[in-house]
Amino acid sequence: QQQVKQSPQSLIVQKGGISIINCAYENTAFDYFPWYQQFPGKGPALLIAIRPDVSEKKEGRFTISFNKSAKQFSLHIMDSQPGDSATYFCAGIPMNRDDKIIFGKGTRLHILP
Amino acid sequence: DAGVTQSPTHLIKTRGQQVTLRCSPISGHKSVSWYQQVLGQGPQFIFQYYEKEERGRGNFPDRFSARQFPNYSSELNVNALLLGDSALYLCASSLPAGANTGELFFGEGSRLTVL
Repeated sequence: QQQVKQSPQSLIVQKGGISIINCAYENTAFDYFPWYQQFPGKGPALLIAIRPDVSEKKEGRFTISFNKSAKQFSLHIMDSQPGDSATYFCAGIPMNRDDKIIFGKGTRLHILP
Repeated sequence: DAGVTQSPTHLIKTRGQQVTLRCSPISGHKSVSWYQQVLGQGPQFIFQYYEKEERGRGNFPDRFSARQFPNYSSELNVNALLLGDSALYLCASSLPAGANTGELFFGEGSRLTVL
């Protein structure tokens, strides 16, 4: 069964702290793992993504760590800011691009000012 | 460059009615997908279209249908609306399969409320 399990469901972090969101997948046919950021009333926006042959990818304050053997990946937000408060979704994209992308259920992140 | 555009942004319908939602993909994108997002959940796949052909369908009843036009824009139709159809309907476009990473670019969505 294709699934992407995301945790935690919600997260509260102090301004300046590190926010960490975790995802685990079952389908080894995934070959690309994006993270989406969604603000209330808006559509999800692509934030950062990684291929499974890379263990880490960093873009500014956002870092994806990938553990292929454990089939887990995580998003780290360094120096978290109130503007980062949003819902974050991880996803798995199948090698067969005609197959559907599977999204996690989302993590609602709140950064305390 | 314009992103994915959807219309209408908000609409209210009553049970049993029908609704049509519209989507224009990013220029150059030939694939359009539709997702339903219920409050507090991740997007759920409804349809994918590429070159006017249906390439995938999620676990939604036959009340849901879609089509893609020669200019790659798309419509999602939902008949016999139920209260449970209330959701944010997202359209996403992507580059042709096999030519990209498969990343989706979402529109802002159409918020449907069924009373």
